[in-house]
Amino acid sequence: SQQGEEDPQALSIQEGENATMNCSYKTSINNLQWYRQNSGRGLVHLILIRSNEREKHSGRLRVTLDTSKKSSSLLITASRAADTASYFCATDAIWDSSYKLIFGSGTRLLVRP
Amino acid sequence: DSGVTQTPKHLITATGQRVTLRCSPRSGDLSVYWYQQSLDQGLQFLIQYYNGEERAKGNILERFSAQQFPDLHSELNLSSLELGDSALYFCASSPRDGALEQYFGPGTRLTVT
Repeated sequence: SQQGEEDPQALSIQEGENATMNCSYKTSINNLQWYRQNSGRGLVHLILIRSNEREKHSGRLRVTLDTSKKSSSLLITASRAADTASYFCATDAIWDSSYKLIFGSGTRLLVRP
Repeated sequence: DSGVTQTPKHLITATGQRVTLRCSPRSGDLSVYWYQQSLDQGLQFLIQYYNGEERAKGNILERFSAQQFPDLHSELNLSSLELGDSALYFCASSPRDGALEQYFGPGTRLTVT
């Protein structure tokens, strides 16, 4: 089963607006990552936040992590049409005695020009 | 460009056949991960190799196998193909073991007819 689940499944906004995507997970983590995937292409790493961090910024991206609620959010400010993509959260989970990444189901973001 | 290469980009084959997907990790990366992405199952972790040895198995079918060679490139072998094996297959690499940032290749789109 998926460790992380994104919400909403799909989001459509106007260029210039902010986009917020949420991720919930089930078990304790060491870190949580967000990836972006353009249609049919490979995933691109966006940002990693460690379990002892509450907020992290990278350019127009802001990620928050609430370990008590087992949830994270990704905020994209001042969105652009080029931000249209699917966004996945990935959490680490014990697998064969080591940590592996488990990806959520993703949020499809459409930014209308 | 992540530095991870995958060949071929597209593959169309018939049920019952066998195919081999190839991945070259980023220079210096020791870990290679294989993922399957389909519409109904999302992004599923299949298997990981680290420096030539199998490190972890995920949701990989017995009809599928993989290996990592001394030069660190990896191959994923899919046999007795079924219609349901049609999917995007991604390879990712990272410098070492553990659930940290992974670099994804562009993927191989497999269509089984």
